[in-house]
Amino acid sequence: EPEVTQTPSHQVTQMGQEVILRCVPISNHLYFYWYRQILGQKVEFLVSFYNNEISEKSEIFDDQFSVERPDGSNFTLKIRSTKLEDSAMYFCASRGTSGGAPTQYFGPGTRLTVL
Amino acid sequence: DQQVKQNSPSLSVQEGRISILNCDYTNSMFDYFLWYKKYPAEGPTFLISISSIKDKNEDGRFTVFLNKSAKHLSLHIVPSQPGDSAVYFCAASEGGGATNKLIFGTGTLLAVQP
Repeated sequence: EPEVTQTPSHQVTQMGQEVILRCVPISNHLYFYWYRQILGQKVEFLVSFYNNEISEKSEIFDDQFSVERPDGSNFTLKIRSTKLEDSAMYFCASRGTSGGAPTQYFGPGTRLTVL
Repeated sequence: DQQVKQNSPSLSVQEGRISILNCDYTNSMFDYFLWYKKYPAEGPTFLISISSIKDKNEDGRFTVFLNKSAKHLSLHIVPSQPGDSAVYFCAASEGGGATNKLIFGTGTLLAVQP
């Protein structure tokens, strides 16, 4: 069964450094998302991406964040200058078509630790 | 701004019995509701969804009930099995456009005792 994959599974970085989190969505999906979950809190929407552009972003997704689909398979989240409060699990998700249930399929996540 | 609430942080049931997980929402524009299951160190796994125009959807041991007037939904698991032990998240989506972002509740930790 197709699944969303994410790399790395765990990333440790120093405050102020740039990180890139990578995702390979399900191959025929058209809608892509990033969510995060700070330890002990709920899963929060960051950004959605469709037709090679951001379709919506949350207040969390400030100028330090960017997303890209550099080729036909990868979807990346870049944090330009990491802060301590960026430490969280980051989940990538993808969805197939518009219409019907908006079921999103999630990857296993990347645990980001900012020291 | 808690548009989706799961007021029970945890629930413990005996194997073979029914598990009932509850979720409340405030936004009447939500048109789909989804339940996800999450194990530690894994991503959320989709379980079942329901459209706002229905009041019940069933898939095997899982049934979701929607009470639109009360802005309440519940997930029933019958019979519960030890492998069902996980955190269950309720999520809601407001339709239309190219987003359909999911808004999650805080989750309920289900423990099924053998």
